[in-house]
Amino acid sequence: DAKTTQPTSMDCAEGRAANLPCNHSTISGNEYVYWYRQIHSQGPQYIIHGLKNNETNEMASLIITEDRKSSTLILPHATLRDTAVYYCIVSGYGNQGGKLIFGQGTELSVKP
Amino acid sequence: GAGVSQTPSNKVTEKGKYVELRCDPISGHTALYWYRQSLGQGPEFLIYFQGTGAADDSGLPNDRFFAVRPEGSVSTLKIQRTERGDSAVYLCASSRDSTTREQYFGPGTRLTVT
Repeated sequence: DAKTTQPTSMDCAEGRAANLPCNHSTISGNEYVYWYRQIHSQGPQYIIHGLKNNETNEMASLIITEDRKSSTLILPHATLRDTAVYYCIVSGYGNQGGKLIFGQGTELSVKP
Repeated sequence: GAGVSQTPSNKVTEKGKYVELRCDPISGHTALYWYRQSLGQGPEFLIYFQGTGAADDSGLPNDRFFAVRPEGSVSTLKIQRTERGDSAVYLCASSRDSTTREQYFGPGTRLTVT
């Protein structure tokens, strides 16, 4: 699975959009981009995933560049409850084994 | 429905003792994963099961660690002769099957070896 690079930490004002970047320059054609987050003292929570098209769900939007070498997770109206560590993971789909390789993630602090 | 549950939530044991950590996955999920998380680090993969069999145990650090899932549902992670370095949060996750990376995590068991 391709390696990802994320900023160690970011701040965001409550009510504003939080844009979390991720670089995955070695991603291969059959690998998806997954985002998870981990609120303090809880297990990680799945947010969203995508292959090459932009994706949106009730939690967030995922923007993947055309060359697929980077992506951005967007929380459109961040709240204090969005304070968490956000992990960007690149992994193949299909019967290749489902393990996730977590990096250090980005610690997002949403401030009032 | 119920999510992934793990018991106990906290476990304190003495160095050299044996411990068992239990995971109850979401009903119907055939894939089950164990991860370990040390303070300030992301979760680290240990082992995963597809059904009853261990499909990938490449993350188990040594032969003191063992996991079973005899009926394809509940899983137990077993650690023999615990060491202080085994102290961590042990996370369990389940998914519909092993083709998807959409995994549902439990709250974890915090293991402290004194």
